[in-house]
Amino acid sequence: DAGITQSPRHKVTETGTPVTLRCHQTENHRYMYWYRQDPGHGLRLIHYSYGVKDTDKGEVSDGYSVSRSKTEDFLLTLESATSSQTSVYFCATQLSGTGTYEQYFGPGTRLTVT
Amino acid sequence: QQQVKQSPQSLIVQKGGISIINCAYENTAFDYFPWYQQFPGKGPALLIAIRPDVSEKKEGRFTISFNKSAKQFSLHIMDSQPGDSATYFCAARRDQFYFGTGTSLTVIP
Repeated sequence: DAGITQSPRHKVTETGTPVTLRCHQTENHRYMYWYRQDPGHGLRLIHYSYGVKDTDKGEVSDGYSVSRSKTEDFLLTLESATSSQTSVYFCATQLSGTGTYEQYFGPGTRLTVT
Repeated sequence: QQQVKQSPQSLIVQKGGISIINCAYENTAFDYFPWYQQFPGKGPALLIAIRPDVSEKKEGRFTISFNKSAKQFSLHIMDSQPGDSATYFCAARRDQFYFGTGTSLTVIP
């Protein structure tokens, strides 16, 4: 497996509280992604990063923000969690944006918002 | 709207049989079409991928068939084994990845 870890692996939080999920990689990959996985929707891109401090929105970015201050870490923040954000969150990395598009996924974080 | 449409939602195959999962897309700008395999509690893992200038790619028991004119691609798993029981996702890439909704495959011994 690619060296991708996610923390926490499970979290239960209350509506309205802020939540930060962390993705850490040891592969020195330039690109990093946050997806959410929901039944009937597959994987949907929330945000991605193409370098330190360089981020962009995906198709379901509302209610989420990200930060990348180091190559190895990509943080996903839910500013004020809602029940609709209950999901499994996956981080992925990709070596570069050209030539090879193989993505490596982390083990996921199961988030429940009550 | 769903950029990549995947079918069937679930599939049951006898051991030794052929599993076929289909995906369709509309955006002709997509330039990379991967298939991912996911076991319960794990993240997706790349299985096999194809680019639109190739009509077929085979890796072991797994084959992608790509029909550019029909804007469809499919995954064929030959000699399906119980260990292949997992959820399979197709995807298509143009600047970012768009995933199908997944197919739950069960291979019966």
